[in-house]
Amino acid sequence: QKEVEQNSGPLSVPEGAIASLNCTYSDRVSQSFFWYRQYSGKSPELIMSIYSNGDKEDGRFTAQLNKASQYVSLLIRDSQPSDSATYLCAVIIGDFNKFYFGSGTKLNVKP
Amino acid sequence: DTGVSQDPRHKITKRGQNVTFRCDPISEHNRLYWYRQTLGQGPEFLTYFQNEAQLEKSRLLSDRFSAERPKGSFSTLEIQRTEQGDSAMYLCASSSYDTQYFGPGTRLTVL
Repeated sequence: QKEVEQNSGPLSVPEGAIASLNCTYSDRVSQSFFWYRQYSGKSPELIMSIYSNGDKEDGRFTAQLNKASQYVSLLIRDSQPSDSATYLCAVIIGDFNKFYFGSGTKLNVKP
Repeated sequence: DTGVSQDPRHKITKRGQNVTFRCDPISEHNRLYWYRQTLGQGPEFLTYFQNEAQLEKSRLLSDRFSAERPKGSFSTLEIQRTEQGDSAMYLCASSSYDTQYFGPGTRLTVL
């Protein structure tokens, strides 16, 4: 079992819809979770972090964390074609704040 | 721009040659990470520095790979005797606590 798992997609949604991206992780003691967006050929850019169970909202983005189920998700409201990218889930496992990344979910937002 | 910078952005080399990449982190960040990313995968951890000390290395980092951060500022990653399997994007990230910010990456192509 990989430390962080994501559905590779592609996930296709129409413009204006809600996109829901999911991630599961294996280490029960993980405390820090991150979502990054990566455009093709570019490096990952931070969208948001979440540390506590529940929802955290930032503009059109909402991260959701359920530590009991070892599950973290990202909702993108009012999806735009510019949101088309690969979304990477990252979890800190162990010492040294080392990130484990999922393989990413490719999102396509159709105009 | 005070973000993470990497140089070069692209490197094409022949198998068997040595290559060196440089990373300049965000100035106030004491933690520096190297990752490698291949197509369709998330970034994989290679090594971590806190100030000038290299505190962890992945088993992915074979004897042909070496990294330094001599004064706790910029870092270099050297690959000796490159192989075609080394072709990837090499990403550098820095942090002061847990959130990591990535540089633009160095794309290595080994012919």
